Amino acid sequence: GENVGLHLPTLSVQEGDNSIINCAYSNSASDYFIWYKQESGKGPQFIIDIRSNMDKRQGQRVTVLLNKTVKHLSLQIAATQPGDSAVYFCAENIAGTASKLTFGTGTRLQVTL
Amino acid sequence: DTAVSQTPKYLVTQMGNDKSIKCEQNLGHDTMYWYKQDSKKFLKIMFSYNNKELIINETVPNRFSPKSPDKAHLNLHINSLELGDSAVYFCASSLMVSVSYNEQFFGPGTRLTVL
Repeated sequence: GENVGLHLPTLSVQEGDNSIINCAYSNSASDYFIWYKQESGKGPQFIIDIRSNMDKRQGQRVTVLLNKTVKHLSLQIAATQPGDSAVYFCAENIAGTASKLTFGTGTRLQVTL
Repeated sequence: DTAVSQTPKYLVTQMGNDKSIKCEQNLGHDTMYWYKQDSKKFLKIMFSYNNKELIINETVPNRFSPKSPDKAHLNLHINSLELGDSAVYFCASSLMVSVSYNEQFFGPGTRLTVL
């Protein structure tokens, strides 16, 4: 099947800095993307989503950027806080596949004080 | 109040046994899911039910049998457990079957260890 994302890397940032987490996808038929946050011992939690007819969407302290040309998705977290430490997953939905999400392998974000 | 709950949280069992994991959501959602997360954190959908009807079955071995007695519950029964079944199993739910702008809410997970 198609892969979303790469092996699980770790991103270390200092508290207060901005974080950028990247994700590559390979299926050009994907038309909807979501970022999830998973804290240790918990289930994934929705952060922000974006449709393929957009290239940017903003939430509270978070921004998702979508570059369909190179099939790349990024999550930007402003003023990173210790509570942002978690594994972050991108997920894609391929048009016409109803409720099926394909998850990437995730990025671990470590926030240092 | 817990939106999506799973029991048990931990399950340790021997190879060859049969076990069940239960999931309940109190969000009034129509669609429920089972995901498997392996030791490398890779999360993959297994099944999806919409209003008690199976809509996604991702080539999961037939030792895994989901059952949805009503749209608030989706249980997962696993027969003849194998070592490779060790993983964290997540239940999730969403308001409807369309995934776009239709957030999936995940349960806390069940860590299954097969010895």
